[in-house]
Amino acid sequence: DSGVTQTPKHLITATGQRVTLRCSPRSGDLSVYWYQQSLDQGLQFLIQYYNGEERAKGNILERFSAQQFPDLHSELNLSSLELGDSALYFCASSAQSDYEQYFGPGTRLTVT
Amino acid sequence: AQSVTQPDIHITVSEGASLELRCNYSYGATPYLFWYVQSPGQGLQLLLKYFSGDTLVQGIKGFEAEFKRSQSSFNLRKPSVHWSDAAEYFCAVGAREQAGTALIFGKGTTLSVSS
Repeated sequence: DSGVTQTPKHLITATGQRVTLRCSPRSGDLSVYWYQQSLDQGLQFLIQYYNGEERAKGNILERFSAQQFPDLHSELNLSSLELGDSALYFCASSAQSDYEQYFGPGTRLTVT
Repeated sequence: AQSVTQPDIHITVSEGASLELRCNYSYGATPYLFWYVQSPGQGLQLLLKYFSGDTLVQGIKGFEAEFKRSQSSFNLRKPSVHWSDAAEYFCAVGAREQAGTALIFGKGTTLSVSS
C-alpha cells in the first residue's frame, strides 16, 4: 500500500458526460501527479500540482482539468467524454516536486 | 525529446531462472531512472531508482538494476525468479517539465513465469 488513495475504483459512464476522479496523496506529500494508462498510448503524464499550484502539463486534453485543494487532495475532471477516454487514471504523489513518485491503485473509467 | 524504450513486449522465464529486462532511454541531461512493477488490477509499485552515484542499485523483492551511461541503458535483473514476480514492468525516466517534473514511461514488458 503506497498510501495514495483514489476514488472511485471503477466508473462507467456514457459519452458526453462529465466525471470527477479524486486523489488523496500520501501524508506529507505536497505534489500530486495524474497519469493516464491506455492500451494504445501506454502510461502518459497528464498534469502536476505542487501545494495547490499547477507546475507541469503533459498530454492533457482541453476537455480535462484538475485542481489541488488546500488539504492537498486533488481532483481530475473529465468532460464531454468520448469512447477513447476509457482508460486507467492514476494519481501519484511525491514529497516535493521531485521524481520519486508513489502511485495510487487507479480509477478505471469506462465510457460507453 | 525524452523517451524510454523497452524492446521486449513479453518475456517468459522458468521459475528459479535468472531474469534481465532491458531498458534504453534518451535524455539530454543526467537521467533519473526508475523501475516500477504493476500486477494485474493494481497500481504501480516502485522497485528501485537511480539518481546518482553507484551505478548498480538495489531495490525491493531482490531486484537490482545497472545504469550504463555509454549504452543509455538501465536494465533490471533478478538472479532467481519466483512465480509471484509475474507482472508488467515499466522503466521510466524523470524529466523536467515546465516548472515541475514528470515520469516518461516505456511501453512495459510483461513477465510470465513458467513452472
